[in-house]
Parts: sequence; structure tokens; C-alpha cells
Amino acid sequence: QMVESGGGLAQPGGSLRLSCAVSGFTFTSHAMNWVRLAPGQGLEWVSAISGSGETTFYADSVEGRFTISRDNSENTLFLQMNSLRAEDSAVYYCARGPLKDYYYYMDVWGRGTTVTVAS
Amino acid sequence: DIQMTQSPSDVSASVGDRVTITCRASQDVNRWLAWYQQKPGKAPMLLIYGASSLRSGVPSRFSGSGSGTDFTLTINSLQPEDFATYYCQQANSFPHTFGPGTKVDL
Repeated sequence: QMVESGGGLAQPGGSLRLSCAVSGFTFTSHAMNWVRLAPGQGLEWVSAISGSGETTFYADSVEGRFTISRDNSENTLFLQMNSLRAEDSAVYYCARGPLKDYYYYMDVWGRGTTVTVAS
Repeated sequence: DIQMTQSPSDVSASVGDRVTITCRASQDVNRWLAWYQQKPGKAPMLLIYGASSLRSGVPSRFSGSGSGTDFTLTINSLQPEDFATYYCQQANSFPHTFGPGTKVDL
């Protein structure tokens, strides 16, 4: 099970920190991802992190503004979102990769948390 | 970055129909291609990975094929619960881009 939290309303230029609490599987054995769905748009892959947390990847649209991290002692995935823009408004999903250093698909998904960026 | 396209963007179908969705990558992604189904208000669900491997528990009416740049998702004998939006995603290189989606409706 994966449960996202931390979404809400933020002002343009503001920050939010999303969390994804994981249970039911060995967290460190899986890479993790964030994927978003903006209103009226399609899915957009946002970021990924290896099982150890040492390797990270980002979409061009969030590179330099968002930071993915994980606390393996707390089985929690994070997404720190800074310099938020209106186009970052979306439902954000955490999603599990198949293995700790493999990212070839996402087989378990959270229910999502909604981020709205508006003044 | 690898760009993904899908066709059609929308398809109207009936229960029992066979539906085929095409996904094309702007460069070779080998077989690192997955298909997801998403229904309104729900999280996406993995259907196919490695271009043609059916995820455990997914009905066998779903099938995937292709390699390189051209891929296909086929739904045989469409069921009421299959009306949804379908996305392909390449996982050959980061960023792992999705296609724009294909909405299958009645």
C-alpha cells in the first residue's frame, strides 16, 4: 500500500513537500517514481529514485525545482517542490518500480494527492 | 528526450469489439515499453511491460506487441470495465516519457 499526502494549495513561487508512506513490501528493494496528471492532460513522469536513494532522475520540466528523496528507515518517499508554477497543478502519484535499480515499469501506485498552484 | 505518440487519440467502441491502439517512439526504445490503463479519479494500472509481457492478473484479452519504435496494444472482446484511457510509456532512457493517451469510450 502506498499513501500520498502533502498536497494542497500553494502560491506561484511557493513550495510544497509531498510524502508517500509505503507498507506491505520491502521498500529498499524498489526504485520509486512520482508521476502526475494535470487537469485535462495526460500522464507525465516526474522523477525517479533508486532503492538506495543514491541515484535520481527528473523530467526536464521540474529539473532544478523539484527534489526526490526517500527515508528508507521510515519507508517514505518524498518530493520537495520549489518555485511552483501554475502548470505544476496536478494529481501526484507515487509509483513503485520493479527492483531497486530498475525502472522499466511501475506496478504499484498510490491513490494520489492533489496540488493546486494559484494565487 | 524521446517523444511518444499514440493513435488514435479517441476511439468509440462497443462491448465485444476488438480495439487496437498504436504507440510510436521518436527513437528506438528496444522493448522497454509499458502500457497503463487509467479510469477517471483512479490511479493508473500497469497492463503490459516489456512491450508484450502481460502483468499477472490482467485479463488475457489484453495483449501487446512491437519493438524498436512501433508498438501496439490490442484489446480483444472489449468489456464494460475496459472503457478508460490507455497510455504507453517508454522506459529505455530517462526521462521516461508517456504517450498522450488514447481514450476508449462507448
